[in-house]
Amino acid sequence: EDKVVQSPLSLVVHEGDTVTLNCSYEVTNFRSLLWYKQEKKAPTFLFMLTSSGIEKKSGRLSSILDKKELFSILNITATQTGDSAIYLCAVEAYNAGNMLTFGGGTRLMVKP
Amino acid sequence: DAGVIQSPRHEVTEMGQEVTLRCKPISGHDYLFWYRQTMMRGLELLIYFNNNVPIDDSGMPEDRFSAKMPNASFSTLKIQPSEPRDSAVYFCASSLALRGGRPYFGPGTRLTVL
Repeated sequence: EDKVVQSPLSLVVHEGDTVTLNCSYEVTNFRSLLWYKQEKKAPTFLFMLTSSGIEKKSGRLSSILDKKELFSILNITATQTGDSAIYLCAVEAYNAGNMLTFGGGTRLMVKP
Repeated sequence: DAGVIQSPRHEVTEMGQEVTLRCKPISGHDYLFWYRQTMMRGLELLIYFNNNVPIDDSGMPEDRFSAKMPNASFSTLKIQPSEPRDSAVYFCASSLALRGGRPYFGPGTRLTVL
C-alpha cells in the first residue's frame, strides 16, 4: 500500500523565519510528488516534482525531491502570516491513473 | 473557466437522512475524484472516475456511500442513511488524462450530520 508521511505535524514560527517541511513516501512505480497549500478552503497547487535534485522555486517557496532516499522538502523563507496553512504532500504512481495518495499534512502557523 | 464547482457548500442534516453532494468538473477533464477530509484521517480518496466510469471505489467507507457520474459534466456522491461520523468536508477534483496531470480541487462541501 502506498504511504506518505509528513513531518512535523505542526509548526509555529515568527514572521521572517525560514521553515522546512518534510515529506517521505513509499510508493510502487513512483511518477510524481506534489505539494499543496490548504487554507480555509480547497488545496491549491504549489509544485509538482518528478526528477531528483532539481529545485522548483516560486517566490519564497522552493521544493526538491530525492528519489533515492524517497523524500521531498518544502522550504519557505522569510515567512509571512499569510503562509499560515496546512501544507499537503501527495504522490502519484504510474499504474494509478491520476490518483494521488496524500500525507496527513503539516499545519504551519506564522506569528507576527 | 469557472473551475470545479461543488454544491451545496454547506449541508446540515439529521442522522438517517439522505445526503447528495454534487460536482461539476472542469470542462474537458477526463478524471474525477471524490475526497473526504477530517481532522482525524486527513484527506482520503473515496472513489475516482475515468471517462465517467468508476475505476477505483476501494476508499468508499461502506455501502451507505455511492457515487455516480452520468455524464462528463456531472457527478454525485450520495450518503444514505447519513450518520454523525460522516461529518467532514467532501472535495471533488478533476484532472486531465495527461502524464502528470494534476487534480484541480473544488471548494468543498462541509457536511454536518447531527
